[in-house]
Amino acid sequence: QLQLQESGSGLVKPSQTLSLTCAVSGGSISSGGYSWSWIRQPPGKGLEWIGNIYHSGSAFYNPSLKSRVTISVDGSQNQFSLKVTSVTAADTAVYYCARDQVGTGFDSWGQGTLVTVSS
Amino acid sequence: EIVLTQSPATLSLSPGERATLSCRASQSLSSYLAWYQQKPGQPPRLLIYGASYRATGIPARFSGSGSGTDFTLTISSLEPEDFAVYYCQQRGNWALTFGGGTKVEIK
Repeated sequence: QLQLQESGSGLVKPSQTLSLTCAVSGGSISSGGYSWSWIRQPPGKGLEWIGNIYHSGSAFYNPSLKSRVTISVDGSQNQFSLKVTSVTAADTAVYYCARDQVGTGFDSWGQGTLVTVSS
Repeated sequence: EIVLTQSPATLSLSPGERATLSCRASQSLSSYLAWYQQKPGQPPRLLIYGASYRATGIPARFSGSGSGTDFTLTISSLEPEDFAVYYCQQRGNWALTFGGGTKVEIK
């Protein structure tokens, strides 16, 4: 069974860079037919798609975040990563990684990791 | 960006009742719409994809319908475990978006 696990810093200072990694187990991140996404959820609010990446390395980003976000993939480590630069308190959220089966939906999710932006 | 508007924001119902949730898109999605259920402290769970196809392991009381800009998630008879927040999500174009959510609460 596919499992995804987020890891990274839980506390980031304003103006610094948020960095998270999603480790994938029980399946290969290089499998065709899938993309790998980051999604976030501010406390008590709804879901926001941040962006996704294919095993080829092609990445797509939410236009509202595009200037600050980079998603990368490491097939040898079976993981993908997120970087968000110049963070503010508005970036405080639970960050989820998820697998998107092309044509269907996000069928596997990590448990999520809370990132707080505070000095 | 395709905007999804969910209604109502909150639905207060009793176990055994029928729940009808709406999701309206700002432009046509064909059938590229999914529904998710989220309980407190948990990640969302995929319920419906392609507007009307149940995901693996989802009970038959959950059904989806609609196409174009208007979609509906129906729970035919609410079980205690169905009280949660429900989100729709579009994949009509590459910039994926979610609706704001509908909370189904116990009346």
